[in-house]
Amino acid sequence: DAEITQSPRHKITETGRQVTLACHQTWNHNNMFWYRQDLGHGLRLIHYSYGVQDTNKGEVSDGYSVSRSNTEDLPLTLESAASSQTSVYFCASSTVGLTDTQYFGPGTRLTVL
Amino acid sequence: GQQVMQIPQYQHVQEGEDFTTYCNSSTTLSNIQWYKQRPGGHPVFLIQLVKSGEVKKQKRLTFQFGEAKKNSSLHITATQTTDVGTYFCAPVYGGSQGNLIFGKGTKLSVKP
Repeated sequence: DAEITQSPRHKITETGRQVTLACHQTWNHNNMFWYRQDLGHGLRLIHYSYGVQDTNKGEVSDGYSVSRSNTEDLPLTLESAASSQTSVYFCASSTVGLTDTQYFGPGTRLTVL
Repeated sequence: GQQVMQIPQYQHVQEGEDFTTYCNSSTTLSNIQWYKQRPGGHPVFLIQLVKSGEVKKQKRLTFQFGEAKKNSSLHITATQTTDVGTYFCAPVYGGSQGNLIFGKGTKLSVKP
């Protein structure tokens, strides 16, 4: 069965370190998204991609970067982790089209000390 | 920018009571999606509304899309403990290419 996975599921790191969160989907979806979820803020879009070699900034992109070298993966990198980036991160994917639903991964809980 | 307001932020109900959450946009929507997130889980798609005035039902859940396509609601009849979670609306605006702007969600707790 097709799925979307994230790794690691939990991560503790220190301020200033570079961290990469992995997202892998086997739906063969063109669109992939990264969100962060914090209490009181709902889901906020960090970066998104409509296909290989395409990346776009979302609402809260500062301090984050992504790259899309193939259809299946969209890793999210925190260049220099900050305590404000402690959050739960969700990856999602969808097919091309305005009305297609998003399928979410299980999430990664990141703590920056 | 395009914003959506979802109310209430929290709702505590006794099991068996009804529950409604509202999603309001200042601009006309192309369509709207609804997602549910169980505690400790990830958002899961529930439904999509496209037509003006559309009403869709899923068992005890009723979804409505306003005539002007600026607001939507989710109503749960006779809540059960399995309904616990956060319900998000995700409006889709004309011209967007697939990225969604989620509402802040309504967190529902149900007391048995």
